[in-house]
Amino acid sequence: GENVEQHPSTLSVQEGDSAVIKCTYSDSASNYFPWYKQELGKRPQLIIDIRSNVGEKKDQRIAVTLNKTAKHFSLHITETQPEDSAVYFCASRGLGSARQLTFGSGTQLTVLP
Amino acid sequence: EAQVTQNPRYLITVTGKKLTVTCSQNMNHEYMSWYRQDPGLGLRQIYYSMNVEVTDKGDVPEGYKVSRKEKRNFPLILESPSPNQTSLYFCASSLGSSPYEQYFGPGTRLTVT
Repeated sequence: GENVEQHPSTLSVQEGDSAVIKCTYSDSASNYFPWYKQELGKRPQLIIDIRSNVGEKKDQRIAVTLNKTAKHFSLHITETQPEDSAVYFCASRGLGSARQLTFGSGTQLTVLP
Repeated sequence: EAQVTQNPRYLITVTGKKLTVTCSQNMNHEYMSWYRQDPGLGLRQIYYSMNVEVTDKGDVPEGYKVSRKEKRNFPLILESPSPNQTSLYFCASSLGSSPYEQYFGPGTRLTVT
């Protein structure tokens, strides 16, 4: 089945700097790549997603890029703020019978004031 | 308000004592899923359901059962819990399987002693 690797596991940045989280996937047929944010003690929530027919997608300070050839995708957060501190999960949809999501192991992002 | 609810939110139990974690959604979603979250392992899918009476195994189904008798409810059953099932459990629902956004419940923290 699909395997998703996520790096780094922890990331600290100064407020105002950019943060980048990278994920690689194994199933070349995967075609949907969402990113979820989980604040401490809360549930994961979708923040952005991208489909395989698009190379980049932006939403204000966050962007996701996809390189299908290399089978990796990345989350970019610019002008980071303390409220961006959270665990971020990437995910990939393979082509199993129910097309379920496979999640990465998560990145703890800390934005230092 | 559109939401996914889980009960209980916290549970401490002993090895072998059967328990059920309930999950309910009010969004008329067809697809529901259970995940467990463990440090360093991300979110791993236990079981999912495409619709009423249609369930299938995810990546880590051993020791768990589910049922989907009504569209809104998707309980998770641990017939004989063991300490390695101590985890944070999330129920999620979506309009269909990916690429629809998955809405997560608030989580259930289970400890098996």
